[in-house]
Amino acid sequence: GAGVSQSPRYKVAKRGQDVALRCDPISGHVSLFWYQQALGQGPEFLTYFQNEAQLDKSGLPSDRFFAERPEGSVSTLKIQRTQQEDSAVYLCASSPAGLGTGDSRPQHFGDGTRLSIL
Amino acid sequence: AQKVTQAQTEISVVEKEDVTLDCVYETRDTTYYLFWYKQPPSGELVFLIRRNSFDEQNEISGRYSWNFQKSTSSFNFTITASQVVDSAVYFCALRESYKYIFGTGTRLKVLA
Repeated sequence: GAGVSQSPRYKVAKRGQDVALRCDPISGHVSLFWYQQALGQGPEFLTYFQNEAQLDKSGLPSDRFFAERPEGSVSTLKIQRTQQEDSAVYLCASSPAGLGTGDSRPQHFGDGTRLSIL
Repeated sequence: AQKVTQAQTEISVVEKEDVTLDCVYETRDTTYYLFWYKQPPSGELVFLIRRNSFDEQNEISGRYSWNFQKSTSSFNFTITASQVVDSAVYFCALRESYKYIFGTGTRLKVLA
C-alpha cells in the first residue's frame, strides 16, 4: 500500500523480554518519527530520523529503547528488558521533507503496534 | 513551554447535532503550525487539517470547519450534522520544530 506500514500489529511479551517493532515509511519520505501513545493519552515524541541519521532521540524514555534506520527507509524500534510501563501503542510517522526545508506538509501515521507487557 | 490542551475528554451527541471540539495551545514561536488528526478505532491517525500562524482565515471542508484565533490561542474544530462515522478520538497538535506536541484528545461518540 501507499501508506506507512507497521508490524506487528499486536505484540505481547513477558516482562524482561526484548521486542522489535518495524516501520515501513511511505516510499521516498526523508523524515521518520516514532511516538509512544499510552492509554487515553496523546502520542508523545520518541525519536526522529532524517534519512539514516538519528537527529533527535530526546524522547526515548530510557537506554533500554533503541531505534535505527540503517538504509534510510525501514526503521526498527527495539526495547530491551521490557517492563510493564512500556505497554503502549507505538506509532511511526513519515513526512516528505527534512529539516531546514521549510516544508510543513503533515506527518503520515501508521496504524501502530500495540505492545502489552505481562 | 509548548503545550496543547484539549479540555473535553469525551463528548456524546446524537446524530445530526453539531459539535465543537476545543483546542488551546501555548507557544513562544511567532511562526508555528497547528494540526487536527482523527483516530478511529483502527488506531491510525488520519490527517484532517494544517493551519499556519499567519493564516487566520477560517476553513470549511464539507461538514468540517475550523476556527483559528491567535488572540485566544485557540484552534477549534466543528462538525456540522454529525454522523455515526464521525465517532473517533480527535487530536489537536502543535508543531515544535519538526516534532508534534499533541493534546490528550477528545473522544467523540455520535449516537444513532
